[in-house]
Amino acid sequence: EAGVAQSPRYKIIEKRQSVAFWCNPISGHATLYWYQQILGQGPKLLIQFQNNGVVDDSQLPKDRFSAERLKGVDSTLKIQPAKLEDSAVYLCASSLGTSPRDTQYFGPGTRLTVL
Amino acid sequence: DAKTTQPPSMDCAEGRAANLPCNHSTISGNEYVYWYRQIHSQGPQYIIHGLKNNETNEMASLIITEDRKSSTLILPHATLRDTAVYYCIVRVANAGNMLTFGGGTRLMVKP
Repeated sequence: EAGVAQSPRYKIIEKRQSVAFWCNPISGHATLYWYQQILGQGPKLLIQFQNNGVVDDSQLPKDRFSAERLKGVDSTLKIQPAKLEDSAVYLCASSLGTSPRDTQYFGPGTRLTVL
Repeated sequence: DAKTTQPPSMDCAEGRAANLPCNHSTISGNEYVYWYRQIHSQGPQYIIHGLKNNETNEMASLIITEDRKSSTLILPHATLRDTAVYYCIVRVANAGNMLTFGGGTRLMVKP
């Protein structure tokens, strides 16, 4: 079974530029999550989708971050414009559903460096 | 959310059992205990989870105390490749079921 795919793996941009990350979840997984992991800290949830609907985006800085999952499969996370403090690893995860028995599986992440 | 407390770091000799403790004294009856680990530069990897009973899989064993206020993850024969940060997470049983990661335990397996 293929895992969660993310691209790109690495991205370097200058502040005020825009950037987008892509995630393809495990086939059949209805729930998709985006996490931000700052160096030295645990991952923090940014947004959660159930199919193509948003379940929780309370931690998403909506003035600069946006995410979509239009067809309920792939998802993109965008930052516009980027700030220095957005330097982090962006992790995508997926699960069958939202039951506490549904395990979340993570992708390898995209490491973003904002200069 | 039930919060967890883990020691920031632990060492273990290669080939020996690694026992990683986690305190979750405010856990509710319908909340699961999950363990993930994160090896350097990789995404978190699922290890095991449990509700009340002890659990075992090919990677590890999870021992949950009878009062559910603490648990221990056991890696029976630690190898150098088990060096990672280990996160104990209480899975909140609401509509989102998000994972709230704490600081975790940095396990160093030494030859």
